[in-house]
Amino acid sequence: AQSVTQLGSHVSVSEGALVLLRCNYSSSVPPYLFWYVQYPNQGLQLLLKYTSAATLVKGINGFEAEFKKSETSFHLTKPSAHMSDAAEYFCAVSEGGSQGNLIFGKGTKLSVKP
Amino acid sequence: GAGVSQSPSNKVTEKGKDVELRCDPISGHTALYWYRQSLGQGLEFLIYFQGNSAPDKSGLPSDRFSAERTGGSVSTLTIQRTQQEDSAVYLCASSLVGLFGEQFFGPGTRLTVL
Repeated sequence: AQSVTQLGSHVSVSEGALVLLRCNYSSSVPPYLFWYVQYPNQGLQLLLKYTSAATLVKGINGFEAEFKKSETSFHLTKPSAHMSDAAEYFCAVSEGGSQGNLIFGKGTKLSVKP
Repeated sequence: GAGVSQSPSNKVTEKGKDVELRCDPISGHTALYWYRQSLGQGLEFLIYFQGNSAPDKSGLPSDRFSAERTGGSVSTLTIQRTQQEDSAVYLCASSLVGLFGEQFFGPGTRLTVL
């Protein structure tokens, strides 16, 4: 069975500092991996996705993530945090195919201090 | 070019009443998903539709929950005899089957059961 673990339910960084949000997955087949962001009172927006092409994936708003099969990880990073990055971030895994429902982690709330 | 829409955006109901939540997917998307987001459980998969068929209903939490999809488009999630533990945000997503599982989410319906 697939599962996703996000380490740290709450991460706080200073504006301009590195953002690192951790995600580890478990899957019996090569997975598709996603990071979604949720701003307050809004739906989920796709940040980036890994679909077995390049292991370093670049997304919107300057975020990127690296797929490391040996570590079963897909951590999300951004070199320099902006105040507008404050939101909740969800890592998700899918086996794709004809069903492909997403299995989500519990989420990490990112706070950015001025 | 409209995205996924959901209605109502907010619903307050009394315990024991039935509620219907509606989802309009992106035109042409054959796959439709319902998820529930609550404080205690995070994001949970409820049900998946391929066209008008729901091959996997295993995520529905009880037999008070049902869903249908008509014309391969609009979907309705019905909760009968609502309970306080049903209070959550109900999210709908749609996707093109085979597109690496990327799903596009609606803004959600916030259900409060008093």
